[in-house]
Amino acid sequence: DIVMTQSPDSLAVSLGERATINCKSSQSVLYSSNNKNYLTWYQQKPGQPPKVLIYWASTRESGVPDRFSGSGSGTDFTLTISSLQAEDVAVYYCQQFYSTPSTFGQGTKLEIK
Amino acid sequence: QVQLQESGPGLVKPSETLSLICTVSGGSISYYYWTWIRQPAGEGLEWIGRISTSGTTDYNPSLESRVTISADMSKNQFSLKLNSVTAADTAVYFCARGTSGWHYLDLWGQGSLVTVSP
Repeated sequence: DIVMTQSPDSLAVSLGERATINCKSSQSVLYSSNNKNYLTWYQQKPGQPPKVLIYWASTRESGVPDRFSGSGSGTDFTLTISSLQAEDVAVYYCQQFYSTPSTFGQGTKLEIK
Repeated sequence: QVQLQESGPGLVKPSETLSLICTVSGGSISYYYWTWIRQPAGEGLEWIGRISTSGTTDYNPSLESRVTISADMSKNQFSLKLNSVTAADTAVYFCARGTSGWHYLDLWGQGSLVTVSP
């Protein structure tokens, strides 16, 4: 199984500041056939299911604010929130779709400082 | 718009079988992957398995000996059965739709809490 490791486990950022969450996979999730990284980012708020933010490592899902961006390739990925808003308080997960079983990172809890 | 809704018993006894159904409304069950994920209280997400509309299944090896996922195209439903449950199987169970290219889960149900207790 591909192990997904997120860092940090928790993060406190001031409103309007940048938040950065990292995700590392134990093997590459880049498909050479289409040059796409099968890495997705989700946001989960209490009592709700996860909501997709970013897929293919850097493609923003329709309707997701442009302050959310994803980057990285191969085994190292980053989710960046450029200017933290109060409604961004949540747990963030990465998930790989390169191989089954699909696996999630352990989650990063984002709070307001 | 397409919606997913989990249903099933909220309480299951140890050693018995957990059974959940996910009903897909507002759209067809065709052309996607249909997936089950679970989340123990206060913990992270675990992928249980998926079924394609051709009926092909893939399971998490950690659960494979106990899990069955099936689909009923005529009812626009898919289901999860997990046998020989223990307290460690207590979790919120989500059903979700995977894109046809299997690159993310774009729709999720609200989740169904299943508690394993005598």
